[in-house]
Amino acid sequence: AQKVTQAQTEISVVEKEDVTLDCVYETRDTTYYLFWYKQPPSGELVFLIRRNFFDEQNEISGRYSWNFQKSTSSFNFTITASQVVDSAVYFCALSNFNKFYFGSGTKLNVKP
Amino acid sequence: DTAVSQTPKYLVTQMGNDKSIKCEQNLGHDTMYWYKQDSKKFLKIMFSYNNKELIINETVPNRFSPKSPDKAHLNLHINSLELGDSAVYFCASSRRITSGISLEQYFGPGTRLTVL
Repeated sequence: AQKVTQAQTEISVVEKEDVTLDCVYETRDTTYYLFWYKQPPSGELVFLIRRNFFDEQNEISGRYSWNFQKSTSSFNFTITASQVVDSAVYFCALSNFNKFYFGSGTKLNVKP
Repeated sequence: DTAVSQTPKYLVTQMGNDKSIKCEQNLGHDTMYWYKQDSKKFLKIMFSYNNKELIINETVPNRFSPKSPDKAHLNLHINSLELGDSAVYFCASSRRITSGISLEQYFGPGTRLTVL
């Protein structure tokens, strides 16, 4: 089976807290890519990051960081010092041959 | 300037009607998609075209028919609309590399379809 699991349906934090969104993937393919998308309350889907299957280096972009670990088939997303504007549904996704799988999404509520 | 555009943004119609949603991308991508997002935010892929060829055709009612006149356009026609078709429909595009894997998708703003 090939799929993406986001076990956290909804998370609520207070502004300035750090929060990690979990993503576990399953694939038999040796070649694949992983992604994170953000869907704010306004509804648009925004691409955040792509990770290649061979690149396990962590990535940091401002307050956002991503941790890719093939050994645990995980691609987790951490927001440091969360802000109200981070409130959104976040989707993890997997792409392999002729297929694109989205997780069910994690709704993040950041309260002031 | 818009990368992926969809029209209309809102569509309200009666059960039994036929409607179309249009999608265009100006990113030069070779692959386009249609997704349905339900009220629980679950994204379900419906169709995907690569260079006008259908490559993904998930289990959707045959009342839904995609049409890709060229690489930059992918339209969705829905016949005999039902209440359960109410959802947000997203169009997306991406570049497909030689291994047959698609890179990141860029999404249109969505079309909110309401069937009364």
